[in-house]
Amino acid sequence: GENVEQHPSTLSVQEGDSAVIKCTYSDSASNYFPWYKQELGKRPQLIIDIRSNVGEKKDQRIAVTLNKTAKHFSLHITETQPEDSAVYFCAASNPGSWGKLQFGAGTQVVVTP
Amino acid sequence: NAGVTQTPKFRILKIGQSMTLQCAQDMNHNYMYWYRQDPGMGLKLIYYSVGAGITDKGEVPNGYNVSRSTTEYFPLRLELAAPSQTSVYFCASSYSSLAGSNEQFFGPGTRLTVL
Repeated sequence: GENVEQHPSTLSVQEGDSAVIKCTYSDSASNYFPWYKQELGKRPQLIIDIRSNVGEKKDQRIAVTLNKTAKHFSLHITETQPEDSAVYFCAASNPGSWGKLQFGAGTQVVVTP
Repeated sequence: NAGVTQTPKFRILKIGQSMTLQCAQDMNHNYMYWYRQDPGMGLKLIYYSVGAGITDKGEVPNGYNVSRSTTEYFPLRLELAAPSQTSVYFCASSYSSLAGSNEQFFGPGTRLTVL
């Protein structure tokens, strides 16, 4: 089955700097890669997703890049703000998985003013 | 739309007790999922359903059971609660499409403690 590895496990950045989180996946058939943000005590919420027919997607200060050959994808947050502090999870899914997502272990991002 | 709702929000159980965690969605999604999240950890899939009457095991199904008689509801049953089942439980739903998987919408979670 699919295996997703996520790095780093924790990331501390100064406000205004950029943050990058990287994930690798094992199943070359995977074609959907979402990123979820989970604030303390809250539910995970989708912040951006990308499909395998696209190499990059951007939404304001966040962007995701996908390298299908290397089987890795990354989340980029620019101009970080204190409200970006949260746990971020990457995930991967293949078409035959009934919508199931294989999640990475998560990255705790702390943005210090 | 209320989205995905879960009840109760919190519950304390004694070892050996049973309970049902309720989950409902009003988005007419055919796919539904139950996850558990232990403190400081990621999400582990317990059970999932692809439609009314169809359920299957996920990564960590032992000690749990599910049923899905309608599209809207997907309850999770804990039998003979054990301290290892102390966790936060999230229900999620998504729709199917020709493009493959889609966004999963999560409920607010149920925080369960077994003492």
